[in-house]
Amino acid sequence: KAGVTQTPRYLIKTRGQQVTLSCSPISGHRSVSWYQQTPGQGLQFLFEYFSETQRNKGNFPGRFSGRQFSNSRSEMNVSTLELGDSALYLCASSLVGRSGGNNSPLHFGNGTRLTVT
Amino acid sequence: SQQGEEDPQALSIQEGENATMNCSYKTSINNLQWYRQNSGRGLVHLILIRSNEREKHSGRLRVTLDTSKKSSSLLITASRAADTASYFCATDEGSNYKLTFGKGTLLTVNP
Repeated sequence: KAGVTQTPRYLIKTRGQQVTLSCSPISGHRSVSWYQQTPGQGLQFLFEYFSETQRNKGNFPGRFSGRQFSNSRSEMNVSTLELGDSALYLCASSLVGRSGGNNSPLHFGNGTRLTVT
Repeated sequence: SQQGEEDPQALSIQEGENATMNCSYKTSINNLQWYRQNSGRGLVHLILIRSNEREKHSGRLRVTLDTSKKSSSLLITASRAADTASYFCATDEGSNYKLTFGKGTLLTVNP
């Protein structure tokens, strides 16, 4: 099976611009989570989607948004970029049922390295 | 906010030695997981231990969980240079849809 695929791998943007990152989960996985990783804050949870519904959201401003499509692929968008948004953005998929607990491991992609100048 | 906190932040050992990393968390959990991350890459799941389990083994990995102390440890035996990576614990905080990660332990195994 192919792993989690994130595109693009690297991205350079300037302040004020917006960006869209893409994630294709492992085939059959319906849950997709997004994380931001920085040296200072570590791994911070952004949001989780299942069957096109956002089930949980982290403490990020409204500039950060996401969505999931019917084929489970997911995108996240960051508008009005700030220097502090420079980070590695990681997407992870898992086999979690609609009513099941989070007992399934997360399978991560290699991330999108976003640099805001 | 960080639920799990790993200790130590960094660990340097020689090949063949054992490495022990600890994780403490704050709230009740359903399970605790350990992940490894090689520099600049995604995280790889290592092992999951449920709240009603006390110890679990997988190859050279041994994980313990003490829910009364809200702590877990990861032991890597007979370490190899290829084990050099950052190791993270992650907990669910009782939530079904979110994993919270600690800041990790950077393990360096010198050949």
